[in-house]
Amino acid sequence: AQTVTQSQPEMSVQEAETVTLSCTYDTSESDYYLFWYKQPPSRQMILVIRQEAYKQQNATENRFSVNFQKAAKSFSLKISDSQLGDAAMYFCAEGTSYDKVIFGPGTSLSVIP
Amino acid sequence: DAGVIQSPRHEVTEMGQEVTLRCKPISGHDYLFWYRQTMMRGLELLIYFNNNVPIDDSGMPEDRFSAKMPNASFSTLKIQPSEPRDSAVYFCASSPGQGYREQYFGPGTRLTVT
Repeated sequence: AQTVTQSQPEMSVQEAETVTLSCTYDTSESDYYLFWYKQPPSRQMILVIRQEAYKQQNATENRFSVNFQKAAKSFSLKISDSQLGDAAMYFCAEGTSYDKVIFGPGTSLSVIP
Repeated sequence: DAGVIQSPRHEVTEMGQEVTLRCKPISGHDYLFWYRQTMMRGLELLIYFNNNVPIDDSGMPEDRFSAKMPNASFSTLKIQPSEPRDSAVYFCASSPGQGYREQYFGPGTRLTVT
Protein backbone atom coordinates (compact mmCIF):
# COMPACT_ATOMS: atom_id res chain seq x y z
CA ALA A 1 0.00 0.00 0.00
CA GLN A 2 1.12 3.53 -0.65
CA THR A 3 2.38 5.43 2.40
CA VAL A 4 3.53 8.98 2.94
CA THR A 5 5.69 9.78 5.94
CA GLN A 6 6.43 13.14 7.48
CA SER A 7 8.91 12.55 10.27
CA GLN A 8 8.69 16.02 11.79
CA PRO A 9 5.41 16.52 13.67
CA GLU A 10 6.42 20.08 14.57
CA MET A 11 8.92 22.59 13.24
CA SER A 12 9.70 26.21 13.97
CA VAL A 13 11.53 28.88 12.04
CA GLN A 14 12.56 32.43 12.69
CA GLU A 15 10.87 35.03 10.52
CA ALA A 16 12.88 35.70 7.33
CA GLU A 17 14.83 32.48 7.72
CA THR A 18 14.64 29.30 5.66
CA VAL A 19 13.07 26.03 6.77
CA THR A 20 12.85 22.60 5.15
CA LEU A 21 10.04 20.16 5.79
CA SER A 22 10.73 16.49 5.10
CA CYS A 23 8.57 13.95 3.34
CA THR A 24 9.19 10.41 2.15
CA TYR A 25 6.82 8.22 0.23
CA ASP A 26 6.57 4.64 -0.83
CA THR A 27 5.14 3.76 -4.20
CA SER A 28 5.89 1.11 -6.78
CA GLU A 29 4.52 3.23 -9.59
CA SER A 30 6.75 4.90 -12.15
CA ASP A 31 4.30 7.67 -12.98
CA TYR A 32 3.05 9.59 -9.99
CA TYR A 33 2.59 13.07 -8.63
CA LEU A 34 3.61 14.75 -5.41
CA PHE A 35 1.98 17.63 -3.61
CA TRP A 36 2.43 19.93 -0.66
CA TYR A 37 -0.74 21.36 0.84
CA LYS A 38 -0.95 24.09 3.47
CA GLN A 39 -3.63 24.26 6.16
CA PRO A 40 -3.51 27.53 8.12
CA PRO A 41 -5.45 28.05 11.35
CA SER A 42 -8.49 28.97 9.25
CA ARG A 43 -8.31 25.22 8.27
CA GLN A 44 -8.77 25.97 4.55
CA MET A 45 -6.49 23.53 2.71
CA ILE A 46 -4.72 24.98 -0.28
CA LEU A 47 -2.15 23.59 -2.70
CA VAL A 48 1.34 24.99 -2.27
CA ILE A 49 3.26 23.13 -4.94
CA ARG A 50 2.99 20.13 -7.26
CA GLN A 51 5.69 17.94 -8.79
CA GLU A 52 5.37 15.41 -11.60
CA ALA A 53 7.65 12.44 -10.96
CA TYR A 54 8.77 12.24 -14.59
CA LYS A 55 10.16 15.76 -14.40
CA GLN A 56 13.68 15.99 -13.05
CA GLN A 57 13.49 19.70 -12.47
CA ASN A 58 12.39 20.67 -9.00
CA ALA A 59 9.15 22.66 -8.85
CA THR A 60 9.24 26.21 -7.54
CA GLU A 61 6.51 28.63 -6.56
CA ASN A 62 7.84 31.98 -5.38
CA ARG A 63 9.38 31.36 -1.92
CA PHE A 64 8.43 27.68 -1.98
CA SER A 65 10.59 25.08 -3.65
CA VAL A 66 11.00 21.33 -3.43
CA ASN A 67 13.94 18.98 -3.38
CA PHE A 68 12.73 15.91 -5.25
CA GLN A 69 15.00 12.89 -4.88
CA LYS A 70 13.29 10.17 -6.89
CA ALA A 71 15.67 7.33 -6.09
CA ALA A 72 15.40 8.05 -2.38
CA LYS A 73 11.64 8.65 -2.62
CA SER A 74 12.09 11.95 -0.85
CA PHE A 75 10.15 15.15 -1.45
CA SER A 76 11.08 17.98 0.89
CA LEU A 77 9.62 21.48 0.91
CA LYS A 78 11.83 24.51 1.38
CA ILE A 79 10.32 27.79 2.49
CA SER A 80 12.60 30.77 2.02
CA ASP A 81 12.26 34.15 3.73
CA SER A 82 9.64 32.73 6.10
CA GLN A 83 6.71 34.99 6.91
CA LEU A 84 4.23 34.95 9.76
CA GLY A 85 1.55 33.88 7.30
CA ASP A 86 3.47 30.69 6.59
CA ALA A 87 2.52 29.34 10.00
CA ALA A 88 0.31 26.35 9.26
CA MET A 89 0.06 22.59 9.05
CA TYR A 90 1.78 21.29 5.93
CA PHE A 91 0.73 18.02 4.33
CA CYS A 92 2.74 16.06 1.83
CA ALA A 93 0.73 13.89 -0.57
CA GLU A 94 1.27 11.42 -3.39
CA GLY A 95 -1.08 10.28 -6.14
CA THR A 96 -1.32 8.59 -9.51
CA SER A 97 -3.52 9.19 -12.51
CA TYR A 98 -5.71 6.19 -11.72
CA ASP A 99 -5.95 6.20 -7.93
CA LYS A 100 -6.61 8.42 -4.96
CA VAL A 101 -4.16 10.77 -3.31
CA ILE A 102 -2.49 9.60 -0.10
CA PHE A 103 -1.76 12.29 2.49
CA GLY A 104 0.95 12.26 5.12
CA PRO A 105 0.28 13.01 8.80
CA GLY A 106 1.34 16.64 8.51
CA THR A 107 4.00 18.93 9.98
CA SER A 108 2.96 21.88 12.12
CA LEU A 109 5.12 24.90 11.30
CA SER A 110 5.46 27.82 13.68
CA VAL A 111 7.03 31.10 12.61
CA ILE A 112 8.75 33.07 15.35
CA PRO A 113 8.70 36.87 14.96
CA ASP B 1 -16.25 30.30 -9.16
CA ALA B 2 -17.14 30.30 -5.47
CA GLY B 3 -15.04 27.26 -4.74
CA VAL B 4 -16.23 24.19 -2.91
CA ILE B 5 -19.14 25.01 -0.65
CA GLN B 6 -19.91 23.08 2.49
CA SER B 7 -22.76 23.42 4.93
CA PRO B 8 -23.17 23.75 7.76
CA ARG B 9 -19.83 25.19 8.91
CA HIS B 10 -20.48 24.03 12.47
CA GLU B 11 -22.80 21.37 13.76
CA VAL B 12 -23.44 20.43 17.36
CA THR B 13 -25.70 17.49 17.99
CA GLU B 14 -26.50 14.92 20.64
CA MET B 15 -25.47 11.33 20.50
CA GLY B 16 -27.94 9.22 18.57
CA GLN B 17 -29.11 12.00 16.29
CA GLU B 18 -28.82 11.96 12.52
CA VAL B 19 -26.34 14.37 10.98
CA THR B 20 -26.23 15.40 7.34
CA LEU B 21 -23.30 17.28 5.87
CA ARG B 22 -23.60 18.90 2.48
CA CYS B 23 -21.19 19.75 -0.29
CA LYS B 24 -21.35 21.58 -3.59
CA PRO B 25 -18.25 20.90 -5.72
CA ILE B 26 -16.70 23.23 -8.24
CA SER B 27 -18.57 23.11 -11.51
CA GLY B 28 -16.87 20.87 -14.05
CA HIS B 29 -14.95 18.80 -11.54
CA ASP B 30 -15.52 15.09 -12.06
CA TYR B 31 -14.18 13.92 -8.72
CA LEU B 32 -15.52 14.55 -5.26
CA PHE B 33 -13.84 13.46 -2.03
CA TRP B 34 -15.00 13.33 1.58
CA TYR B 35 -12.32 13.51 4.29
CA ARG B 36 -12.39 13.45 8.07
CA GLN B 37 -9.72 15.20 10.14
CA THR B 38 -8.97 14.57 13.80
CA MET B 39 -5.96 15.19 15.98
CA MET B 40 -5.53 11.50 16.62
CA ARG B 41 -5.96 10.13 13.10
CA GLY B 42 -5.03 13.07 10.92
CA LEU B 43 -6.67 13.43 7.51
CA GLU B 44 -8.59 10.34 6.44
CA LEU B 45 -10.25 9.76 3.09
CA LEU B 46 -13.74 8.40 3.69
CA ILE B 47 -15.10 8.01 0.16
CA TYR B 48 -14.72 9.47 -3.29
CA PHE B 49 -16.91 9.74 -6.37
CA ASN B 50 -16.22 9.96 -10.07
CA ASN B 51 -19.03 11.36 -12.20
CA ASN B 52 -21.44 10.87 -9.28
CA VAL B 53 -20.53 7.18 -8.87
CA PRO B 54 -18.84 6.02 -5.64
CA ILE B 55 -15.43 4.58 -6.52
CA ASP B 56 -13.84 3.80 -3.19
CA ASP B 57 -15.66 3.75 0.13
CA SER B 58 -13.10 1.68 1.99
CA GLY B 59 -12.45 4.58 4.35
CA MET B 60 -16.02 4.78 5.60
CA PRO B 61 -15.69 3.77 9.24
CA GLU B 62 -18.87 1.76 9.60
CA ASP B 63 -22.44 1.35 8.47
CA ARG B 64 -23.51 4.42 10.36
CA PHE B 65 -21.85 6.48 7.64
CA SER B 66 -23.31 6.86 4.19
CA ALA B 67 -22.63 9.20 1.29
CA LYS B 68 -24.54 10.05 -1.83
CA MET B 69 -24.04 12.15 -4.91
CA PRO B 70 -27.38 12.45 -6.68
CA ASN B 71 -26.02 14.87 -9.28
CA ALA B 72 -22.84 16.61 -10.32
CA SER B 73 -23.44 19.61 -8.11
CA PHE B 74 -24.39 18.09 -4.79
CA SER B 75 -23.22 15.47 -2.32
CA THR B 76 -24.17 14.51 1.21
CA LEU B 77 -22.45 12.64 4.00
CA LYS B 78 -24.84 11.24 6.57
CA ILE B 79 -24.13 9.82 10.00
CA GLN B 80 -26.94 7.90 11.65
CA PRO B 81 -26.86 7.48 14.59
CA SER B 82 -24.06 9.85 15.56
CA GLU B 83 -21.61 9.09 18.36
CA PRO B 84 -19.17 11.29 20.30
CA ARG B 85 -16.23 9.66 18.52
CA ASP B 86 -17.57 11.06 15.24
CA SER B 87 -16.61 14.54 16.41
CA ALA B 88 -14.16 15.88 13.82
CA VAL B 89 -13.80 18.31 10.95
CA TYR B 90 -15.25 16.91 7.75
CA PHE B 91 -13.89 18.22 4.46
CA CYS B 92 -15.28 17.93 1.00
CA ALA B 93 -12.90 18.39 -1.93
CA SER B 94 -13.35 18.32 -5.67
CA SER B 95 -10.90 17.85 -8.50
CA PRO B 96 -10.85 17.73 -12.30
CA GLY B 97 -8.74 14.57 -12.07
CA GLN B 98 -8.02 11.67 -9.78
CA GLY B 99 -4.63 11.37 -8.10
CA TYR B 100 -2.65 13.61 -10.37
CA ARG B 101 -4.57 16.88 -10.18
CA GLU B 102 -4.95 19.46 -7.44
CA GLN B 103 -7.80 18.96 -5.01
CA TYR B 104 -9.84 21.99 -4.07
CA PHE B 105 -11.04 21.80 -0.50
CA GLY B 106 -14.10 23.30 1.07
CA PRO B 107 -13.89 25.15 4.40
CA GLY B 108 -14.92 22.06 6.32
CA THR B 109 -17.72 21.28 8.75
CA ARG B 110 -16.78 21.06 12.41
CA LEU B 111 -18.98 18.39 13.94
CA THR B 112 -19.37 18.03 17.69
CA VAL B 113 -21.40 15.15 19.04
CA THR B 114 -22.19 15.41 22.75
